[in-house]
Amino acid sequence: ETGVTQTPRHLVMGMTNKKSLKCEQHLGHNAMYWYKQSAKKPLELMFVYNFKEQTENNSVPSRFSPECPNSSHLFLHLHTLQPEDSALYLCASSQVAHPGQGYEQYFGPGTRLTVT
Amino acid sequence: GENVEQHPSTLSVQEGDSAVIKCTYSDSASNYFPWYKQELGKRPQLIIDIRSNVGEKKDQRIAVTLNKTAKHFSLHITETQPEDSAVYFCAEENTGFQKLVFGTGTRLLVSP
Repeated sequence: ETGVTQTPRHLVMGMTNKKSLKCEQHLGHNAMYWYKQSAKKPLELMFVYNFKEQTENNSVPSRFSPECPNSSHLFLHLHTLQPEDSALYLCASSQVAHPGQGYEQYFGPGTRLTVT
Repeated sequence: GENVEQHPSTLSVQEGDSAVIKCTYSDSASNYFPWYKQELGKRPQLIIDIRSNVGEKKDQRIAVTLNKTAKHFSLHITETQPEDSAVYFCAEENTGFQKLVFGTGTRLLVSP
């Protein structure tokens, strides 16, 4: 499959569960991102990785734990989530650019997460 | 601070009319301003972007204008079609490297 893929597409989990979201990009990019999309904050950046190194943690609670083993794969490990964490989680990737140079972010289809 | 205000939140037009969506930002150091379109149930996709050294950019029926002094930029869609119906997000590249701050989105509905 081409572009950015995410699995699973839908996930229902209890507050005591541990689960992981997976993202894979087939575009040769070196930067990857996690976003949270909800009715309250439509596109909220969570984490940024450049060349496998985390460069941004946008004040995200520790119950969300990212992992980037290589430039093509990105994970989001979830544990002891709250109902308000229910949202669409979008992964994206891009080329690494100099500040102000601009870059297109390619989004995956997202994982619809429901916390019960 | 990191803040992008986007207006209106919803916009309904008749097919063939023009649509304008406006965004304002607070970080005077921002240099890159993309617009993304998200159709219902689909992922956001870039439709046009502009950099701070350019005041206007056009691509067929869509155009973006930037006023750095006033810190606002706008998306213009002419001759709207039903397939333009979607949520549109503006964004700015915050001074945090590789970091986009998105507006709250505008739901555009084009009626035939």
